[in-house]
Amino acid sequence: GAGVSQSPSNKVTEKGKDVELRCDPISGHTALYWYRQSLGQGLEFLIYFQGNSAPDKSGLPSDRFSAERTGGSVSTLTIQRTQQEDSAVYLCASSLFPTGQGAYGYTFGSGTRLTVV
Amino acid sequence: EDQVTQSPEALRLQEGESSSLNCSYTVSGLRGLFWYRQDPGKGPEFLFTLYSAGEEKEKERLKATLTKKESFLHITAPKPEDSATYLCAVRGDNYGQNFVFGPGTRLSVLP
Repeated sequence: GAGVSQSPSNKVTEKGKDVELRCDPISGHTALYWYRQSLGQGLEFLIYFQGNSAPDKSGLPSDRFSAERTGGSVSTLTIQRTQQEDSAVYLCASSLFPTGQGAYGYTFGSGTRLTVV
Repeated sequence: EDQVTQSPEALRLQEGESSSLNCSYTVSGLRGLFWYRQDPGKGPEFLFTLYSAGEEKEKERLKATLTKKESFLHITAPKPEDSATYLCAVRGDNYGQNFVFGPGTRLSVLP
């Protein structure tokens, strides 16, 4: 597609339930990031995928968070046993170049707004 | 520890009133400083990448500059459509492929 697509755009879930967030990167982009943006705070790095390499999971806040990327394309971020502090906008970004170099940097999706009630 | 701060937190300008946004950073081995624009309800939109002190980039009414400690985003004769949150991010040796983002400056341009 023309841009990074994320679904759903909004998700309201009950505390303790599991949720899955989906990211469709730009076709051909080998690098894919997940970030979290909480109200009034900066973007927080979660996880990074680059081609077939092992993902960099150093930003995942707890073992309730996991992500996978199938076939080097679509990625799913899963949050198990959701807590109220998980409420945030989850953003996905992709890039043709692993270091974000070149004229276009990283392209972000519009995000999934997760609300845990 | 790598850090990025941005000032001011919020800025209100009249249309045509030029100003600058500041991004101050502390990073081990800068590998790039990035400026993004974010509109409400949308993901950040890439504006510029700067790699070394003295470098400048321009796009329409925006001009980004870089020194060894900070970057400025100069906005010349802004228009209401320039209203957005402007985010600064850095990559350094300590963070692999990751960015460290600043909290952003919320810019409002009044007609």
